[in-house]
Amino acid sequence: AQSVSQHNHHVILSEAASLELGCNYSYGGTVNLFWYVQYPGQHLQLLLKYFSGDPLVKGIKGFEAEFIKSKFSFNLRKPSVQWSDTAEYFCAVNPYSGGGADGLTFGKGTHLIIQP
Amino acid sequence: DAGVIQSPRHEVTEMGQEVTLRCKPISGHNSLFWYRQTMMRGLELLIYFNNNVPIDDSGMPEDRFSAKMPNASFSTLKIQPSEPRDSAVYFCASSGDRARNEQFFGPGTRLTVL
Repeated sequence: AQSVSQHNHHVILSEAASLELGCNYSYGGTVNLFWYVQYPGQHLQLLLKYFSGDPLVKGIKGFEAEFIKSKFSFNLRKPSVQWSDTAEYFCAVNPYSGGGADGLTFGKGTHLIIQP
Repeated sequence: DAGVIQSPRHEVTEMGQEVTLRCKPISGHNSLFWYRQTMMRGLELLIYFNNNVPIDDSGMPEDRFSAKMPNASFSTLKIQPSEPRDSAVYFCASSGDRARNEQFFGPGTRLTVL
């Protein structure tokens, strides 16, 4: 079974700082990769996704992520964070089956706090 | 589109009572997923359906949990009897692309079992 590891459980940054959240997964085959964000008291929203092609993907709100297959990583980045980015961030993986949908395996999440 | 709809949004019940959570997936989506979120265990997949058929229920914690999807627009997750350790946020998600499996989440039901 696949697993997802998010290295940082809590991150505190000041506004305008650069952000990088680590995500590693364990699965040897082709995968679909996702980052979801959960703002306080709200449901999960898709931030960005990787299926194939260019390993650098851009998402909403200025976020991007880079898929490095050799490192089994899919790190999330943002060059300049804002106070409104305070939220919980989840990395998720789904093996590409081509035949049917499957449940996502989530990391434990990273709680990001942006100080004004 | 209204997105994934879940009800109730909050549920407080006493131990031993039956709890039923409801989900309406996005119209046209043929895969539906139930997840549970707790502080200790994070987000866990409980069960999922493809074309209304349960595919994998290995994540359902105990026989007290059951889920149904009688048609393409409705699913229920039932806990009977409920216990305090079932307290969590339960999310429903749906997907319309079985290959890429981009899932859209509902607002969740926050369950508190006293």
